[in-house]
Amino acid sequence: SYVLTQPPSVSVAPGETATITCGGNNIGSKTVHWYQQQKPGQAPVLVIYYDTDRPSRIPERFSGSNSGNTATLTISRVEAGDEADYYCQVWDSRSDHVVFGGGTKLAVL
Amino acid sequence: QVQLVESGGGLVKPGESLRLSCEGSGFTLSDFSMTWIRQGPGKGLEWVAYMSSSAADIYYADSVKGRFTISRDNGQNSLLLQMNSLRTEDTAVYYCARDRNSATIFEYWGQGTLVTVSS
Repeated sequence: SYVLTQPPSVSVAPGETATITCGGNNIGSKTVHWYQQQKPGQAPVLVIYYDTDRPSRIPERFSGSNSGNTATLTISRVEAGDEADYYCQVWDSRSDHVVFGGGTKLAVL
Repeated sequence: QVQLVESGGGLVKPGESLRLSCEGSGFTLSDFSMTWIRQGPGKGLEWVAYMSSSAADIYYADSVKGRFTISRDNGQNSLLLQMNSLRTEDTAVYYCARDRNSATIFEYWGQGTLVTVSS
C-alpha cells in the first residue's frame, strides 16, 4: 500500500519559515492535501488542498508545493498559534484507499 | 452553516458492537461523499471508511474491512458506522468528514466521538 512519510517534528522560531515535507513514491503524480490539528482530539482543519490551494479562511502565510517524491507545506512568518500537528493526505487510486502521513509536530520556539 | 455532530461512542468490551452516527446540518448529506477517520490515543489520523454521494462507491481500510459498515440514513441526514467484532486497537476518537468536490478533500469535520474497547 502507498506510504506517506513525514518528519516527526519541526522546530522554528517565531517570524521564521517552517517547511514540513511529505514523502511518497512519485507523489508529484498525486494531489496532496494538508491538515492542521491544534491538539489531539480536536477536529483537524484543512489548510491546503490540490497541492497549492488555500481555503479562504486560511492565511496567505500557508502555501504548498508538490513535485517528484516530495510534497511540502510551507508556513511563512510563523506565529505561536501555528504550533500544531500537520498531516498530509492523498487518495491512492491503486488501492482505493485514503492515505495519511504520520504527522509532523510543529514547535514554535 | 455546515455542522457535523458525531454520537454513539462509549466503552465496550472486545468482540462487542457499536454504532456511530454523524448528523449533518446546513447541507444535505446525501449530496456529498463522506468519510470516517479515527485517531487512536497518541497516534496520527487513520482513514476508516468512505462512501460516495451516490453510495455506489464504498471503501474500507484493511484494518476494519469485514467488521465495519458505513451507511447513510437520508431521513435523518446522518452518516452511520456499524462496528462489529471490536478490538482493543479500535480504541480511538472517530471523526466524520465531508468531502469537497468528491475528491477526498476533507473540508468539514465533526468534533469526534470516543470509542473505548477494553475488557
